[in-house]
Amino acid sequence: GAVVSQHPSWVICKSGTSVKIECRSLDFQATTMFWYRQFPKQSLMLMATSNEGSKATYEQGVEKDKFLINHASLTLSTLTVTSAHPEDSSFYICSAQLAGGFRDEQYFGPGTRLTVT
Amino acid sequence: AQSVTQLDSQVPVFEEAPVELRCNYSSSVSVYLFWYVQYPNQGLQLLLKYLSGSTLVKGINGFEAEFNKSQTSFHLRKPSVHISDTAEYFCAVSEGGGNKLTFGTGTQLKVEL
Repeated sequence: GAVVSQHPSWVICKSGTSVKIECRSLDFQATTMFWYRQFPKQSLMLMATSNEGSKATYEQGVEKDKFLINHASLTLSTLTVTSAHPEDSSFYICSAQLAGGFRDEQYFGPGTRLTVT
Repeated sequence: AQSVTQLDSQVPVFEEAPVELRCNYSSSVSVYLFWYVQYPNQGLQLLLKYLSGSTLVKGINGFEAEFNKSQTSFHLRKPSVHISDTAEYFCAVSEGGGNKLTFGTGTQLKVEL
């Protein structure tokens, strides 16, 4: 139980284009989802917190117009990297918090590797 | 603001030997503490967590960790490691019962024959 999927698992896009990454909770409902970014050999950095039906809360230094987050349902959140540049290349990981569960319970997706050429 | 320090970026160890992965945190309020494992090209899997109560926490795969408030530490231990334990291990903290996690930089555990 508590499985989170991400699609695609990897994507290559050209500089200036946009790419959308999906995060789905497969067997549970998630009122809150989190988006992280992980650079090689580094830790996960929280980018934003998204709550179903409301605007995402972005961490300091994260451009909300560049990283668009939509949490349209209790099982799906999307991250769109707009006008991607090579410096946006990274490993993006989402996590989902079980609706009605303990605040400490986050289930992580397998990640999406984005390469911008 | 909370922060997490994992002093060892890499820990090599022979199979069946014991291992300790160190984690120290900084926070001005009460915290929840977590250890996650990440296998190559996969997401994070929760090993164990400390919320309250007993300071010795047992997790999956034979791992355990001890919360030491005076030393602000939450070191991860396993008495006998296996090749399959080779992975990246992340310590994380959430402050004041909130749901935002702050991660350490990770420790690469490499188990050798």
